[in-house]
Amino acid sequence: EVQLVESGGGLVQPGGSLRLSCAASGFTFSNYDISWVRQAPGKGLEWVSGISGSGGSTYYADSVMGRFTISRDNSLNTLYLQMSSLTAEDTAVYYCAKDRSSWNPLPPHFDSWGQGTLVTVSS
Amino acid sequence: EIVMTQSPATLSVSPGERATLSCRASQSISSNLAWYQQKPGQPPRLLIYGASTRATGVPARFSGSGSGTEFTLTISSLQSEDFAVYYCQQYNNWPPLTFGGGTKVEI
Repeated sequence: EVQLVESGGGLVQPGGSLRLSCAASGFTFSNYDISWVRQAPGKGLEWVSGISGSGGSTYYADSVMGRFTISRDNSLNTLYLQMSSLTAEDTAVYYCAKDRSSWNPLPPHFDSWGQGTLVTVSS
Repeated sequence: EIVMTQSPATLSVSPGERATLSCRASQSISSNLAWYQQKPGQPPRLLIYGASTRATGVPARFSGSGSGTEFTLTISSLQSEDFAVYYCQQYNNWPPLTFGGGTKVEI
């Protein structure tokens, strides 16, 4: 069974930093692109960042470019999101989400999601 | 950036009725569209990919259609567990991946 478990969320002051983790199990982690998708309270879904299975390619939304860094450790089956210069607009539940296919040449769509971790940016 | 627009924002239906949800892309995305269902306090669940292929375990009452810029999700006979928010997502071009704003299906 595929499992994705996020951690690392919490309350952080504006301008602060936080690192999220996503522990994966139940599939060959290194074969799949993984993304972070966030959802502000009461709002819709916003893709934040994605990374290829090897970690060699990374992608970012304009809203987080230069402030967030996605990475992965395939030996630990873990995905990370380093977030800095946080603002109130970054307040959201952050989900990690796995691409449905290991060989799809197209950008990803997601067949497995974690339960999410809440990041609150407030003074 | 490809903008995804969903309509209506809210759809009021009764159990057993048919629901039709729309999603429009600002430019052609071929059939590279997914639909997700999200219930309160839960992560999204993949329903449809490739515009019309049901994901594993998705009941046959859910169907998707369309290509290019116009897409539809149809729920043939609404069950109580189908009341949720539905999102479309394009995966034809990135970055960024983009989602529609969602359609809430309510009683």
